[in-house]
Amino acid sequence: SAVISQKPSRDICQRGTSLTIQCQVDSQVTMMFWYRQQPGQSLTLIATANQGSEATYESGFVIDKFPISRPNLTFSTLTVSNMSPEDSSIYLCSVEESGGNQPQHFGDGTRLSIL
Amino acid sequence: GENVEQHPSTLSVQEGDSAVIKCTYSDSASNYFPWYKQELGKRPQLIIDIRSNVGEKKDQRIAVTLNKTAKHFSLHITETQPEDSAVYFCAASEVTPLVFGKGTRLSVIA
Repeated sequence: SAVISQKPSRDICQRGTSLTIQCQVDSQVTMMFWYRQQPGQSLTLIATANQGSEATYESGFVIDKFPISRPNLTFSTLTVSNMSPEDSSIYLCSVEESGGNQPQHFGDGTRLSIL
Repeated sequence: GENVEQHPSTLSVQEGDSAVIKCTYSDSASNYFPWYKQELGKRPQLIIDIRSNVGEKKDQRIAVTLNKTAKHFSLHITETQPEDSAVYFCAASEVTPLVFGKGTRLSVIA
């Protein structure tokens, strides 16, 4: 399966600031997703990153708070904007290598703490 | 949209015993059902998956069964070992992306 590199692996940020998380895949993939996993919780989909167009956001997540880019088939970024302590979480990039409901694989995640 | 319920939320078994985790889904159109294992501080890893045209799939000590009529699927782990201790997530989808259950924390006691 594709190798997914995510960075930073962790960060501690001040409230009100923004952080951009990068996800790099070693091969072209059809689908890229961003998930949030709060401590002890399940995986919640934030959005699907669409190559060359605006991301598709799930209910409860908006572009102003979580802008996403996907300039090509191997790279995506998620920005967490104007952070508050409630944004402290693990953010995970996930990819599906080819279309048609294929297995999804996850990056190692970014552990974000907001002070 | 799809809703996935997972039970139990925690499960403790003695080493060597079997463990069973059950999930139900709401959308009858869902046709892909993967299971992920997440160890503490690690990424979720796909351990087995099943599609709706198959009733059961096995890979060494783990197996998954699917009952489309009842809209439920289960993960079976036999001869459990301490390294099986982790959080397990089921998921379902018709088309991507996946919808996940809330997870089951499995503890295997040596």
